[in-house]
Amino acid sequence: AQTVTQSQPEMSVQEAETVTLSCTYDTSENNYYLFWYKQPPSRQMILVIRQEAYKQQNATENRFSVNFQKAAKSFSLKISDSQLGDTAMYFCALTNAGKSTFGDGTTLTVKP
Amino acid sequence: DSGVTQTPKHLITATGQRVTLRCSPRSGDLSVYWYQQSLDQGLQFLIQYYNGEERAKGNILERFSAQQFPDLHSELNLSSLELGDSALYFCASSSGYTSTDTQYFGPGTRLTVL
Repeated sequence: AQTVTQSQPEMSVQEAETVTLSCTYDTSENNYYLFWYKQPPSRQMILVIRQEAYKQQNATENRFSVNFQKAAKSFSLKISDSQLGDTAMYFCALTNAGKSTFGDGTTLTVKP
Repeated sequence: DSGVTQTPKHLITATGQRVTLRCSPRSGDLSVYWYQQSLDQGLQFLIQYYNGEERAKGNILERFSAQQFPDLHSELNLSSLELGDSALYFCASSSGYTSTDTQYFGPGTRLTVL
């Protein structure tokens, strides 16, 4: 069985500041992929960033980057220059062999 | 707009009833995934189909079933509905079936069981 844990139910950050959301996981597999999804109040699920477990280099997408520590089974998301539109629930997910496991989510509020 | 469509947007029904949720994947995508998002259980993977065949199964109840048709649209059938089945049901699609494929989510169907 695979598990994903997001230990921060809620976080807040000032506009233009940087925030890091935590995620830890557990799996017995070697070949898996990690994702961060954003779910704004509209409830639409939007892919933010993904990381292949076999790649050591951390993924980056504009203001979003990850800190992937495979040995520690940690996959945190850093949002730089936070914008009001980043306010949303963020889900960490692990996918292996077509099965995806999601964390319980972190509600991020960006304050003006 | 992800290109994945789901109908209906909202569904209100009574306990014991049966409903069908429909999903049309993005043009060219062969895989369809179903997820359930309820308030107390987060997002749960239910099932994946690829080109008409079941590929992966998650925490899908026996009262639930799904299929993918030759035109690649998919339906999720929920029967003997219980109050606890009230949730947002998402469909996602991807081009292939491997873990590398990015899944694009539809807007969801909100099911309320009274």
